[in-house]
Amino acid sequence: KNEVEQSPQNLTAQEGEFITINCSYSVGISALHWLQQHPGGGIVSLFMLSSGKKKHGRLIATINIQEKHSSLHITASHPRDSAVYICAVYSNNAGNMLTFGGGTRLMVKP
Amino acid sequence: KAGVTQTPRYLIKTRGQQVTLSCSPISGHRSVSWYQQTPGQGLQFLFEYFSETQRNKGNFPGRFSGRQFSNSRSEMNVSTLELGDSALYLCASSLMTANTEAFFGQGTRLTVV
Repeated sequence: KNEVEQSPQNLTAQEGEFITINCSYSVGISALHWLQQHPGGGIVSLFMLSSGKKKHGRLIATINIQEKHSSLHITASHPRDSAVYICAVYSNNAGNMLTFGGGTRLMVKP
Repeated sequence: KAGVTQTPRYLIKTRGQQVTLSCSPISGHRSVSWYQQTPGQGLQFLFEYFSETQRNKGNFPGRFSGRQFSNSRSEMNVSTLELGDSALYLCASSLMTANTEAFFGQGTRLTVV
């Protein structure tokens, strides 16, 4: 079983829909990243969080340390949100080594 | 502020050759981590360098090595290339080691033929 699990693996939505991507992890962590990867490969950090909730524009990330679970929400989705979203964790005492989930491929249709 | 720069962007090599990839971190960042991304294995950690010292190493054979220079620029080297080394290699820079936000480069896509 992978240390970091994401669901769903694939997601298709209509423009304007509210989207939720989930991430569960089985190890103790010090922080969690949500990342976005577009075709072509480059990865962009959306959030790094270790507790509570963060919001940036239409994106919201939450984390529940006790339940070892994080969610990424996209409000009013747009076709430009189409990308792969990746959850990654910093395990305790592992420096800057990130352990990644398998990613969620999101397609938003106009 | 310039982002993380990886060179080259694309590379084609023959089995048995060696390759060197370069990563220039964001100015002031002292930690550089390297990752391999393949369709089958996803993203996997290779190693992390901080202040010219390797801090962590992932589960990769000794053919994969790296180093970091005094200006924080980092290189990774893969010797005796195998077809399975074909992948996107990403580097990420962070201000410090341990739990600081990672900023990724665009990656180097290596194809081994």
